[in-house]
Amino acid sequence: AQKVTQAQTEISVVEKEDVTLDCVYETRDTTYYLFWYKQPPSGELVFLIRRNSFDEQNEISGRYSWNFQKSTSSFNFTITASQVVDSAVYFCALRVWGRDDKIIFGKGTRLHILP
Amino acid sequence: NAGVTQTPKFRILKIGQSMTLQCTQDMNHNYMYWYRQDPGMGLKLIYYSVGAGITDKGEVPNGYNVSRSTTEDFPLRLELAAPSQTSVYFCASKIGSGNADNAQYFGPGTRLTVT
Repeated sequence: AQKVTQAQTEISVVEKEDVTLDCVYETRDTTYYLFWYKQPPSGELVFLIRRNSFDEQNEISGRYSWNFQKSTSSFNFTITASQVVDSAVYFCALRVWGRDDKIIFGKGTRLHILP
Repeated sequence: NAGVTQTPKFRILKIGQSMTLQCTQDMNHNYMYWYRQDPGMGLKLIYYSVGAGITDKGEVPNGYNVSRSTTEDFPLRLELAAPSQTSVYFCASKIGSGNADNAQYFGPGTRLTVT
């Protein structure tokens, strides 16, 4: 089965704290891609990062970092020194290999950054 | 590039009415997708298309129809609107299979209410 689980439904932290959003996936494929998307209050979906199954290097982009561990089937997302503008719903997603190239989304984690 | 555009942004329908949600992309992407997002939930795939003239059902196709006569356009048709179709609808596109850029790029969404 192909599945993405984001166990944290909602998280609240005070501004400047670090926060980690968890993502656990299931797939039988050996080749796959993982994604994170951000959905701010305005509603649009913003692509943040893509990671393929052959590349387990962690990635850092400014205050954002991603930790991909195949051994635990996890692709966690950390925001360092959070800001109010980081308040959004964050979706983890898995691309399954197939004709349709469809993406399976987790249910999302709603992140509140409190001033 | 405008990216992926959707019209209308908001719509209220009465039960039994029909309408077409428009989606256009100017990135020459082969793959296009329609998702719905119910409150507090992730995205569910309704229909997708891997190229002009080709469409396939996704996870929740009942009550919807699509067509793909051109690469740019992928309209979603609701024939007999039902309250269960109240949702936010997102259109997305990606360049194609086997490409390094596997991210789907999303439109701004259409918020539909059926009463």
